[in-house]
Amino acid sequence: QVQLVQSAAEVKKPGASVKISCKASGYTFTTYAMHWIRQAPGQKLEWIGWINPSNGNTKYSQNFQGRVTITRDTSASAVYMEVRSLRSKDTAIYYCARDNFYDGSVWFDPWGQGTLVTVSS
Amino acid sequence: EIVLTQSPGTLSLSPGDSATLSCRANQNISTYSLAWYQQKPGQAPRLLIYGSTNRATGIPDRFSGSGYGTDFALIIYRLEPEDFAVYHCHHYGTSPTFGQGTKVEIK
Repeated sequence: QVQLVQSAAEVKKPGASVKISCKASGYTFTTYAMHWIRQAPGQKLEWIGWINPSNGNTKYSQNFQGRVTITRDTSASAVYMEVRSLRSKDTAIYYCARDNFYDGSVWFDPWGQGTLVTVSS
Repeated sequence: EIVLTQSPGTLSLSPGDSATLSCRANQNISTYSLAWYQQKPGQAPRLLIYGSTNRATGIPDRFSGSGYGTDFALIIYRLEPEDFAVYHCHHYGTSPTFGQGTKVEIK
């Protein structure tokens, strides 16, 4: 079955960087785009950006442009997201989610299990 | 940017009740781009409905999605104990957005 497995929780100091991974299995990795979404405590889900694994093209939310880089390794069927210049407001659970489309409809499914990133001095 | 507003923030209901969750967009959106997810504590969101009205694989028929334009709804008939959770609506656009969620709690 289609599965996304993310890397373990991280604790970082303000100003540091973090790189999270999302390993896909159960489908052809290059066929579907991959998105990153985060959920800060008590906040709504927030879309960060996506990558087309077939060519590496990316698009980012304006809220994260310049501070986030999404990459992929097709040999490993994995997508990565690096967030730089971390601040306490970046404390959140970060999810990867696969793009889906059918008959004109589009949505995210499945989702990874989430990676908690805690930014604290 | 599309902004989704969900209401109410919290629904307090009993098992067997029906729940009506609203998701309103600040401008017209395509029915193809509206999805609903269920999220339980400590878990990732799970797809319920895509394309406004289509149930995802394995989702029971007590979950029903409707709407068009700016007003969309998720109705849960005959609430089961496992249905008490947070529900998010989602617009898949050039910059995907989510509503703030509706919590369905046990009364």
